[in-house]
Amino acid sequence: KNEVEQSPQNLTAQEGEFITINCSYSVGISALHWLQQHPGGGIVSLFMLSSGKKKHGRLIATINIQEKHSSLHITASHPRDSAVYICAVSRVDSNYQLIWGAGTKLIIKP
Amino acid sequence: DAGITQSPRHKVTETGTPVTLRCHQTENHRYMYWYRQDPGHGLRLIHYSYGVKDTDKGEVSDGYSVSRSKTEDFLLTLESATSSQTSVYFCAISESADSPLHFGNGTRLTVT
Repeated sequence: KNEVEQSPQNLTAQEGEFITINCSYSVGISALHWLQQHPGGGIVSLFMLSSGKKKHGRLIATINIQEKHSSLHITASHPRDSAVYICAVSRVDSNYQLIWGAGTKLIIKP
Repeated sequence: DAGITQSPRHKVTETGTPVTLRCHQTENHRYMYWYRQDPGHGLRLIHYSYGVKDTDKGEVSDGYSVSRSKTEDFLLTLESATSSQTSVYFCAISESADSPLHFGNGTRLTVT
């Protein structure tokens, strides 16, 4: 069983829809990261959080430490949001080595 | 955007040849990482550095070596490239061990 599980693997939605991507983990963590990888390949760090909620523009990330679960939400989705979204966790005993989820491929249709 | 430059961006090489990939940063960040990304595996850590001349192995370090003689440069060397090392290689940096990562644009390496 993977230590970091993302769902769904693939998600197709219409422009304007509210998007939720989930990440569950089974290890003790010091932080959880959300990253975005566009079709061109570049990887961008979106959020790093250890508790609560963070918001940046139309993106919202939440984490529930007790339930070992995080969600990434996109409001008013747009075709330019189409990308792979990756969850990764920093283990509490090793900040250097992130444990990576497999990614969620999101396609937003106009 | 963080100043990270990977070179070359693309390389094709033959089995058995040595290959060196370079990661250069202008952010003066202490931590640098080399990852490879393959379909079905996601990102896997090869080696990382926590300071000049301070490096350690990641989960897939066999067949790779690294060097960091200056804060700004982190080199990844494949001493004798194999076809299993065909991959996209990403360099990343972070200010501290618990800071967000910033990634370079990647190097696509093909070993024939």
